[in-house]
Amino acid sequence: GESVGLHLPTLSVQEGDNSIINCAYSNSASDYFIWYKQESGKGPQFIIDIRSNMDKRQGQRVTVLLNKTVKHLSLQIAATQPGDSAVYFCAENIEGYSTLTFGKGTMLLVSP
Amino acid sequence: KAGVTQTPRYLIKTRGQQVTLSCSPISGHRSVSWYQQTPGQGLQFLFEYFSETQRNKGNFPGRFSGRQFSNSRSEMNVSTLELGDSALYLCASSLNRNQPQHFGDGTRLSIL
Repeated sequence: GESVGLHLPTLSVQEGDNSIINCAYSNSASDYFIWYKQESGKGPQFIIDIRSNMDKRQGQRVTVLLNKTVKHLSLQIAATQPGDSAVYFCAENIEGYSTLTFGKGTMLLVSP
Repeated sequence: KAGVTQTPRYLIKTRGQQVTLSCSPISGHRSVSWYQQTPGQGLQFLFEYFSETQRNKGNFPGRFSGRQFSNSRSEMNVSTLELGDSALYLCASSLNRNQPQHFGDGTRLSIL
């Protein structure tokens, strides 16, 4: 079946840099997208979400961009900190369903 | 507000046994979803409950079942355990569909 995928399995950045994590989705019926952060030994932590009627949404140090034309989602983290080191997942949701389909995840490593 | 609570955190079972995992959602959340996380398959949807009714089900065998109580607390049961059932089982709650799902820290199930 269709699923969400990620381009880069590992992203290494220096502290203070901006990070961009990408995600491709293939289900055109998806209308709601979420980014999660998962640290070792913990469950996924909600970061930010975006609905298909938007193309950009900003939070604290994070921005999510949605390009429905090419079915692409990205998470931008400004001024990346060592505490941002974790695995990041994007997830998609089809309208009317409660099922989240997750990508494989990208590990973000932040060096001091 | 307390987050999603899952018990127990760790569990060791042997093949053929059965297990019950528990999840207490965030207060006011009526939707509870369960996911299985493994290194090979990533995060996969098991099922979702809303107002004590199973609303969606993933592609897992009938050995995996669940239920939800009137206070929205949920349990999942796995019978006739197999080695391949070793995984992190995550519970997430949300207000309803297309709302952010918030995860607990999971139950780590190991099958010997």
